[in-house]
Amino acid sequence: DGGITQSPKYLFRKEGQNVTLSCEQNLNHDAMYWYRQDPGQGLRLIYYSQIVNDFQKGDIAEGYSVSREKKESFPLTVTSAQKNPTAFYLCASSIRDRGSGANVLTFGAGSRLTVL
Amino acid sequence: DQQVKQNSPSLSVQEGRISILNCDYTNSMFDYFLWYKKYPAEGPTFLISISSIKDKNEDGRFTVFLNKSAKHLSLHIVPSQPGDSAVYFCAANYGLLSGGYQKVTFGTGTKLQVIP
Repeated sequence: DGGITQSPKYLFRKEGQNVTLSCEQNLNHDAMYWYRQDPGQGLRLIYYSQIVNDFQKGDIAEGYSVSREKKESFPLTVTSAQKNPTAFYLCASSIRDRGSGANVLTFGAGSRLTVL
Repeated sequence: DQQVKQNSPSLSVQEGRISILNCDYTNSMFDYFLWYKKYPAEGPTFLISISSIKDKNEDGRFTVFLNKSAKHLSLHIVPSQPGDSAVYFCAANYGLLSGGYQKVTFGTGTKLQVIP
């Protein structure tokens, strides 16, 4: 089955530590995304990548870094510079819907990061 | 700057009745609008989309209406079922030929509860 795999599902981190969240897709999608979900704030875009070796900052990129060395993989590093890292992180990839032309995202199951 | 807004954080509806979820946007350059459904601890799943050149799109029990002059869209679910209980996100993106096509902006979500 094609889809997006995020790991780990749950992660605990001590303050001051960097942590990397994995995202792998086998959908052959060109674009990949990282969103963060907090209660009452919906989904906020951290970074997105349209093609390999290219990525753009989203609305809340400070304290995060990404890489896109392979089409299938888009890991997110939460650095110690991120002030409030405890959140639910969602990775997605996209393809244009042939019917409407809309950019339809397929999401992974998410990773919950808790900073102790 | 919240370009896509969902002003109702929650909605309760009796089973069999109509559910109406609303979304407002501020950026008139958006070309496509989408609705996603999300269960707790899972990634959102795509429901239905609409192009800005249309005013209605229907898919089974789900219909999306777009009022461009009011910068407002709504999702109608008829009849509502208990399995529809979830958080619904409105999203928007630019057209393929526009810069920033791949950037998808989400609203804050509305939690729908369908009461049996």
